[in-house]
Amino acid sequence: EIVLTQSPATLSLSPGERATLSCRASQSVSSYLAWYQQKPGQAPRLLIYDASNRATGIPARFSGSGSGTDFTLTISSLEPEDSAVYYCQQRSSWPITFGQGTRLEIK
Amino acid sequence: EVQLLESGGALVQPGVSLRLSCAASGFTFSNYAMSWVRQAPGKGLEWVSLISGRAATTSYADSVKARFTISRDNTKNTLYLQMNTLRAEDTAVYYCAKVEASTKGYFDYWGQGTLVTVSS
Repeated sequence: EIVLTQSPATLSLSPGERATLSCRASQSVSSYLAWYQQKPGQAPRLLIYDASNRATGIPARFSGSGSGTDFTLTISSLEPEDSAVYYCQQRSSWPITFGQGTRLEIK
Repeated sequence: EVQLLESGGALVQPGVSLRLSCAASGFTFSNYAMSWVRQAPGKGLEWVSLISGRAATTSYADSVKARFTISRDNTKNTLYLQMNTLRAEDTAVYYCAKVEASTKGYFDYWGQGTLVTVSS
């Protein structure tokens, strides 16, 4: 099973700042990695798939990069509504696995 | 508009069975693989099971293999999860999720979830 490790566990930033979230895989997942956003009491929402492709309707301030074992989700200029938990997920091999999440707090 | 509506969650005792349902609308249900993903209270996401569009193939997480069965009825646009021999560690919100078509491994639409609590 591929283990995804996300860092940091919690990130606290101000509106307008840049957020950088990391996801590291225990073995290569090529580019088969997605990012999700989950707000309290809501279902997750797909943000990025295949490492760098924005899902439908996702604002351009969200971007993804990386390949192999190291991946990054960048939010270029934080908005208050970006406060959420962010998860990475790999589809490279079974079973599908998720990272443990990064909590992003907007000051 | 894609909609996924889960039902069937309940408070049950360890060892019993429960069946979850997910009613889908807004897309051609039989064309898409579907999945169940769960989230224990205050915890992260855990993939549970996946079924192909025509139900030809299914996959399970090791934690539920041989206890849970995923199925679908394409005439009713409904996804199911039969859960047997429930354990306390199965306590979670269970989400139904549509699998994104071109990549077949990501979840582009999710329901709001149904809560399963296993406790004596």
